[in-house]
Amino acid sequence: SQQGEEDPQALSIQEGENATMNCSYKTSINNLQWYRQNSGRGLVHLILIRSNEREKHSGRLRVTLDTSKKSSSLLITASRAADTASYFCATDGPDDKIIFGKGTRLHILP
Amino acid sequence: DTAVSQTPKYLVTQMGNDKSIKCEQNLGHDTMYWYKQDSKKFLKIMFSYNNKELIINETVPNRFSPKSPDKAHLNLHINSLELGDSAVYFCASSQMGQGTIQQYFGPGTRLTVT
Repeated sequence: SQQGEEDPQALSIQEGENATMNCSYKTSINNLQWYRQNSGRGLVHLILIRSNEREKHSGRLRVTLDTSKKSSSLLITASRAADTASYFCATDGPDDKIIFGKGTRLHILP
Repeated sequence: DTAVSQTPKYLVTQMGNDKSIKCEQNLGHDTMYWYKQDSKKFLKIMFSYNNKELIINETVPNRFSPKSPDKAHLNLHINSLELGDSAVYFCASSQMGQGTIQQYFGPGTRLTVT
């Protein structure tokens, strides 16, 4: 069963706006990762945040992690058309198994 | 009722050998993938097949050759294994279509090259 649950399932915003996606999980984790998938392509790794970290930045991406609430958020600032894709969170726990959520479909409107 | 299965689960072999990893999915999906998990736990796409046709071929040495006999199977053959090939390899499948393309992953094959 999938542990990560992304929210919302789909998101449409205007180009230039910020996009926020959330991920919740159920059990303890070592790391949480965010991946992007463009239509028809494989997953591309975006960012990893460890369980002892609270926030991480990479370019226009900002990820937060709240282990007490078992949730993470991915913020994409100043969105661009090329950001249109599906975004997945993935957790790995003590058993080293990586579990992906169902994803958020992000659509950037021109 | 395993959805995506891989064999073997563990593979230990010597440098220079040729080995294969098999993947099968019983979900009726039309797209299958091979990923390599590096030491930092990142998954990196290697290949993707859609209905037995190669659609993604990332920068992977020629020693790696995928084979898709039918859309339920995607095998990975590796020639002349090198130490750096040691990793966990994951197979996945998905169904092309609208919305998010959820991928279903196999349990992984841990390859150790000595």
